[in-house]
Amino acid sequence: DGGITQSPKYLFRKEGQNVTLSCEQNLNHDAMYWYRQDPGQGLRLIYYSQIVNDFQKGDIAEGYSVSREKKESFPLTVTSAQKNPTAFYLCASQLPDRGRRGYTFGSGTRLTVV
Amino acid sequence: AQKVTQAQTEISVVEKEDVTLDCVYETRDTTYYLFWYKQPPSGELVFLIRRNSFDEQNEISGRYSWNFQKSTSSFNFTITASQVVDSAVYFCALSDRNSGNTPLVFGKGTRLSVIA
Repeated sequence: DGGITQSPKYLFRKEGQNVTLSCEQNLNHDAMYWYRQDPGQGLRLIYYSQIVNDFQKGDIAEGYSVSREKKESFPLTVTSAQKNPTAFYLCASQLPDRGRRGYTFGSGTRLTVV
Repeated sequence: AQKVTQAQTEISVVEKEDVTLDCVYETRDTTYYLFWYKQPPSGELVFLIRRNSFDEQNEISGRYSWNFQKSTSSFNFTITASQVVDSAVYFCALSDRNSGNTPLVFGKGTRLSVIA
């Protein structure tokens, strides 16, 4: 079955460490997105990519980095520069259809700084 | 600029009550798409419905119904005879057709708690 896989489901990070969240899709979708969710804040866009080897900053890109070397993969690195990284992170993908289609979401990664 | 407002942060209802979740949007475009997603406690957002701006017919799917009114820029979601399994966070989102693959604009979500 096609879908989006995010791993790990839970992740613990010590302060000062970088961590990478995985997002893989086998839907043949061109566009991929990373969102951060905090209680009461809704979904905030971190980065997105419309094609391989290209990506754009979202609303809260500071302290994060991404790469898009393959169509299927869009990993997110939470760097030590991100001051408050504890949150729920969601990855999504989308077919290029001029806005007609919504997203397919992964099941998320819950990151906790210890 | 596009914007989606879900004014209700949290709603609690008793099982079997009807409940309406409000969504108001802003866009300058004449062609756009509206979406509702459900986020159960497991975390994954589940697609519920898409409506394009040229189709103002209300839609019903089982206990779910959606009321799209362009005159008031609203796309409200009603759950009839609510059940405990309806407890979730619900997000309304907007897509501008002319923006290609630009990101959806999401509301902040409404947390619905259905009490047995």
